[in-house]
Amino acid sequence: GAGVSQSPSNKVTEKGKDVELRCDPISGHTALYWYRQSLGQGLEFLIYFQGNSAPDKSGLPSDRFSAERTGGSVSTLTIQRTQQEDSAVYLCASSLASGNQETQYFGPGTRLLVL
Amino acid sequence: QKEVEQDPGPLSVPEGAIVSLNCTYSNSAFQYFMWYRQYSRKGPELLMYTYSSGNKEDGRFTAQVDKSSKYISLFIRDSQPSDSATYLCAMRGSGTYKYIFGTGTRLKVLA
Repeated sequence: GAGVSQSPSNKVTEKGKDVELRCDPISGHTALYWYRQSLGQGLEFLIYFQGNSAPDKSGLPSDRFSAERTGGSVSTLTIQRTQQEDSAVYLCASSLASGNQETQYFGPGTRLLVL
Repeated sequence: QKEVEQDPGPLSVPEGAIVSLNCTYSNSAFQYFMWYRQYSRKGPELLMYTYSSGNKEDGRFTAQVDKSSKYISLFIRDSQPSDSATYLCAMRGSGTYKYIFGTGTRLKVLA
């Protein structure tokens, strides 16, 4: 079946512009995660959704970052007034989050470059 | 100090070698441990999932968790060039779905 998809795959923007990154999780997966991966860094947790709610958004780096999820499916990560340090690969993952055996399935990521 | 430490490598080994990849961590509350493999320009894929201490084997892969030492390992037997990738460890405590990832170790298996 279809895996997690993300769009766009690449995004180049100018400093100060807003960007929207989209994640389509695997159908039926209730949990959805956003991560950021910078060069030489591990995956940095940004936010976790269970259904449409975000019980943990502790990883969002600043108030320029926001995310929403609608219909328990598609999620959008928005970065306002982008800065050069926002350049990274943004990864989305989804899981069934059933008990203790959740497996996160990752999308291919969106490569964001802020000039 | 980071909560999870992982040697970035690169680690180069000949084909057929046994590979040992490791992570150390500082948070004794971590209970769930995972190893992911990430090929270049792809998302990570789960290799092994372990709860608490002990060993788990799956084909050529063995995951070990030593909670007393706050140390986890992934062993790859009979390594293949196709195993060349970055290997990331990840862990979390109970009551949270926030995973903390290591920086990843880049592995090169030479034919």
